[in-house]
Amino acid sequence: GQNIDQPTEMTATEGAIVQINCTYQTSGFNGLFWYQQHAGEAPTFLSYNVLDGLEEKGRFSSFLSRSKGYSYLLLKELQMKDSASYLCAVLDSNYQLIWGAGTKLIIKP
Amino acid sequence: IAGITQAPTSQILAAGRRMTLRCTQDMRHNAMYWYRQDLGLGLRLIHYSNTAGTTGKGEVPDGYSVSRANTDDFPLTLASAVPSQTSVYFCASSEDRDTGELFFGEGSRLTVL
Repeated sequence: GQNIDQPTEMTATEGAIVQINCTYQTSGFNGLFWYQQHAGEAPTFLSYNVLDGLEEKGRFSSFLSRSKGYSYLLLKELQMKDSASYLCAVLDSNYQLIWGAGTKLIIKP
Repeated sequence: IAGITQAPTSQILAAGRRMTLRCTQDMRHNAMYWYRQDLGLGLRLIHYSNTAGTTGKGEVPDGYSVSRANTDDFPLTLASAVPSQTSVYFCASSEDRDTGELFFGEGSRLTVL
């Protein structure tokens, strides 16, 4: 079966750096996506990786290793507004998005 | 403002009643999706449409139906609501079926008693 694993919850301190990991086993691979979802709101697209390596976008970076079935989202200079759930998703060979259950990130002052 | 509009934002419904959740997008996207999101579970695909006039079943289609008469509208119908359909429902769209960059509506919170 298809599966995406990510930690349920993480806690970090304002101003620090946090890395949220995601491992996947899917039928084929057409890209890995990270979304941010604030409580009570809709998910919003953050980043996309299809080739191995690091994609940087401001304070957020996303890394992919296809051979290891692994990705991480790196958040730098954490701000209170970064408190949210972060969803990892993989586009499989049928172009269906397979979603992880999400990681709830709690930022403490 | 371009985007996706869902209605209603919240609804309490008696079991056995019929309910339609509305979804409209103005981005001229080809693909549209309906997801449900439950605590502790990832987003689960109910139905999707790759283009106007076509629909397909997702991971959890039972008890739900959709139609795609035109590009903009993608309503989701619960023919006879049951308590297990209590959830938050998100409509989403993407430019085409082969992209994972989805744009989501604000969600519809449905409670079935």
